[in-house]
Amino acid sequence: EVQLLESGGGLVQPGGSLRLSCAASGITFNNYAMSWVRQAPGTGLEWVSGIRGGGDQTYYADSVKGRFTISRDNSKNTLYLQMNSLRAEDTAVYYCAKREVANTGPFDYWGQGTLVTVSS
Amino acid sequence: DIQMTQSPFTLSASVGDRVTITCRASQDIASWLAWYQQKPGKAPKLLIYKASTLESGVPSRFSGSGSGTEFTLTISSLQPDDFATYYCQQYSSYPLTFGGGTKVQIK
Repeated sequence: EVQLLESGGGLVQPGGSLRLSCAASGITFNNYAMSWVRQAPGTGLEWVSGIRGGGDQTYYADSVKGRFTISRDNSKNTLYLQMNSLRAEDTAVYYCAKREVANTGPFDYWGQGTLVTVSS
Repeated sequence: DIQMTQSPFTLSASVGDRVTITCRASQDIASWLAWYQQKPGKAPKLLIYKASTLESGVPSRFSGSGSGTEFTLTISSLQPDDFATYYCQQYSSYPLTFGGGTKVQIK
C-alpha cells in the first residue's frame, strides 16, 4: 500500500523558515517524480514545486521561486520542501503528491497534508 | 504558463441528475488533463487522467472527454457521495496548473 506522510508544518512568523518532509512507503521512491501542492484556507489547489525521480531537475511556481527549495533523499524515501522568507500568503495546507508514471502523469497518490500558518 | 479555467464555479444538483463540468486550457495540452475530486478536510482523489481514462476503482458514472483546449467531466447519475469539489489539472508542461474548482452541492 502506497503511503505518503507529511510532517513539519506549524506556526511561523513572517520572514521565518520551515522545512516540510514527506515520507513515502510502498513504492520504489526513486522511480517517481514528486511534487508539493498547497491549498490556502477556503481556496483551490496550487502546485508549488516538483522534482524528478533522480533529483536531477527541479521546478517551481513563480510565487515561491527563490524562496522555496525542493529536494529528496532517495536513500530515505523522503521528499523535502525548505521554505524561507515566509509570507502570510504562504499559509496553506501543503500536500506531497506522487506522479503516476515515472517523471510524468497526474498525481495518483497524495499525503494527508500538513498545515503551515504564517502569522505574527 | 498554461491557465486552466473551470466552469461553473458552483453547481446545484439533485441525486440522479446528469452533471457536466467544463475545463478550458489557455493553450493546446493534447490529452494531458486530469480530474480530481476533493471532499472537505481530505486530500484530492484522482478520478480521470489522459482526459478520458478512468482511474482504477472509480465508478463508471464518471467520464471525461475532450482534447486540445476544451474538456468536460460528466457524472451520469449523481450519487450522494459525489457532492464535493472537482478540479481539472494540466500536466502537459511545468508549471503544472489546476483549474479553480467546481463545487457540486445539493439542490
